[in-house]
Amino acid sequence: QQKVQQSPESLIVPEGGMASLNCTSSDRNVDYFWWYRQHSGKSPKMLMSIFSNGEKEEGRFTVHLNKASLHTSLHIRDSQPSDSALYLCAASRAGTGSNRLTFGKGTKFSLIP
Amino acid sequence: DAGVTQTPRHEVAEKGQTIILKCEPVSGHNDLFWYRQTKIQGLELLSYFRSKSLMEDGGAFKDRFKAEMLNSSFSTLKIQPTEPKDSAVYLCASSDNYAEQFFGPGTRLTVL
Repeated sequence: QQKVQQSPESLIVPEGGMASLNCTSSDRNVDYFWWYRQHSGKSPKMLMSIFSNGEKEEGRFTVHLNKASLHTSLHIRDSQPSDSALYLCAASRAGTGSNRLTFGKGTKFSLIP
Repeated sequence: DAGVTQTPRHEVAEKGQTIILKCEPVSGHNDLFWYRQTKIQGLELLSYFRSKSLMEDGGAFKDRFKAEMLNSSFSTLKIQPTEPKDSAVYLCASSDNYAEQFFGPGTRLTVL
């Protein structure tokens, strides 16, 4: 079973619109969450990471984390064509000597043409 | 600094062949990962090395998949024998002590 669940599977918004992508881990031992973005035909690239409860903002992107529910969300405002991509959420454990990431299957995000 | 490099970028193999994929991590990174990516399964971990020592070998991929790290700057992934279901993009990534993982451009494998 997938330990990192992402929803929705796909999301389409108009240009300039706002989007919310969700991610939950079923592994209660995870501590860190990562968001990677993968444009079509390219490899994943880290977008943002979050390790503490609360939110973190970078430009048009905001990430929230609720450690109690092991839920993180990525919010994109003023969506641009360059935002169209597969967004991958990953989780990792701290203090284990391992930098292993467990990835979700991703949310395919695109803009209404 | 050069990023993660992977060769070849594309590989076509006949069923039953042996293929070797290559990866050079970012200089100085301690961790190296091999992943397989398909639309159905997403990103799956095949192998994980830390300072050249094998940390994880991806469970279900043990029988025909073997990754090696010959030195700190070079790794190979051997698939032997290949099957059509192995058709996928194979990604190599490296990182430095719990920091973000940097991915290479990937090798697209097609097994006929």
